[in-house]
Amino acid sequence: DTGVSQDPRHKITKRGQNVTFRCDPISEHNRLYWYRQTLGQGPEFLTYFQNEAQLEKSRLLSDRFSAERPKGSFSTLEIQRTEQGDSAMYLCASIGTSLNEKLFFGSGTQLSVL
Amino acid sequence: AQSVTQLDSQVPVFEEAPVELRCNYSSSVSVYLFWYVQYPNQGLQLLLKYLSGSTLVKGINGFEAEFNKSQTSFHLRKPSVHISDTAEYFCAVTISGSARQLTFGSGTQLTVLP
Repeated sequence: DTGVSQDPRHKITKRGQNVTFRCDPISEHNRLYWYRQTLGQGPEFLTYFQNEAQLEKSRLLSDRFSAERPKGSFSTLEIQRTEQGDSAMYLCASIGTSLNEKLFFGSGTQLSVL
Repeated sequence: AQSVTQLDSQVPVFEEAPVELRCNYSSSVSVYLFWYVQYPNQGLQLLLKYLSGSTLVKGINGFEAEFNKSQTSFHLRKPSVHISDTAEYFCAVTISGSARQLTFGSGTQLTVLP
């Protein structure tokens, strides 16, 4: 297993465009998290899936953000009508069923909105 | 809600010297505590975690941390650092026994000088 994969690694877009990121978790992990990290800050929680169900959303996740995990495997995070304030690193993480397991992070997608 | 404060944003230290990175947390319920390391252009990697039991926790790369409930602290220590330890370190907390998301501190940049 190669760990948590995120695609693309970098995305540059113009303000107002829509972008979509993909996360492929470790295959047997049923829980998946999205975080956002801006320069000089720790990651901030965005949303959480258990299998295909989105169980929790942060108030950071405005109406322009939507996340899906249609078959309980990979997940997508879409940002509509991007704003410059959306520029950040978007991190995905996954973990299995046991609370004693380790949370694995992907390398992230760096979004730059011009 | 829980919160994490990392008291030092930057810690420069000479190679082979000891280091302590400070972390304090706030929570009204019992918590699990974590330290993560982030190398440039990489995802976060778990260094160590405290779930229960012994308050002294040993992790990878020679790091250890001590949970102090009375002082609500979880400071990270290493007796002798290497150049390769240069990275950003994040303390994180989550509610005990839950699958809830991690709350991260703002990070401490450790720079090991030759």
